Amino acid sequence: KQEVTQIPAALSVPEGENLVLNCSFTDSAIYNLQWFRQDPGKGLTSLLLIQSSQREQTSGRLNASLDKSSGRSTLYIAASQPGDSATYLCTIVADMGGSEKLVFGKGTKLTVNP
Amino acid sequence: NAGVMQNPRHLVRRRGQEARLRCSPMKGHSHVYWYRQLPEEGLKFMVYLQKENIIDESGMPKERFSAEFPKEGPSILRIQQVVRGDSAAYFCASSLGQGVQPQHFGDGTRLSIL
Repeated sequence: KQEVTQIPAALSVPEGENLVLNCSFTDSAIYNLQWFRQDPGKGLTSLLLIQSSQREQTSGRLNASLDKSSGRSTLYIAASQPGDSATYLCTIVADMGGSEKLVFGKGTKLTVNP
Repeated sequence: NAGVMQNPRHLVRRRGQEARLRCSPMKGHSHVYWYRQLPEEGLKFMVYLQKENIIDESGMPKERFSAEFPKEGPSILRIQQVVRGDSAAYFCASSLGQGVQPQHFGDGTRLSIL
């Protein structure tokens, strides 16, 4: 059974700090891994998607890495800003029960203090 | 707005009533997914549909819940005889296809059962 775990559950940092969010998954047979951002009362905004054959993706101040063999991914946020405050969700796409599904972690709630 | 549209944004029902949640996928997308987010929990897959077909409903409760994606019109998630435990945020996502194609999410419907 595929499970996704995110550590820490919550993180509070001062503005300007670089930070790393961690994600682990139990089965390395994945199609891709995706990081989302969820703001309170809102839907999910896709940040970065890493295909299973890739090792990292970058977008602006965000960098996501993928190590399939160890079942780990990290999301690196450089020079954090108060606007980065949100819950960050790690998801993997895996073949489970005949169709491909997103399996979500519970998220890391990030607070960036001005 | 070319994104995934869900309505209503908020829905309040009394125990025993029916709830109908609607999702219009992004233009050109024929794959629709429904997820449920219970309070303090991660998102959980419910059902995956293509036009007029249910592909995978392994995440759907066996009773009271049903989903459809007709040839014309939005996808509908229907919950009959709602109970307090159905209170959650229900998210819809759509994609062009499976695997490497990313899923795009709507803002969700917050269902509250009185």
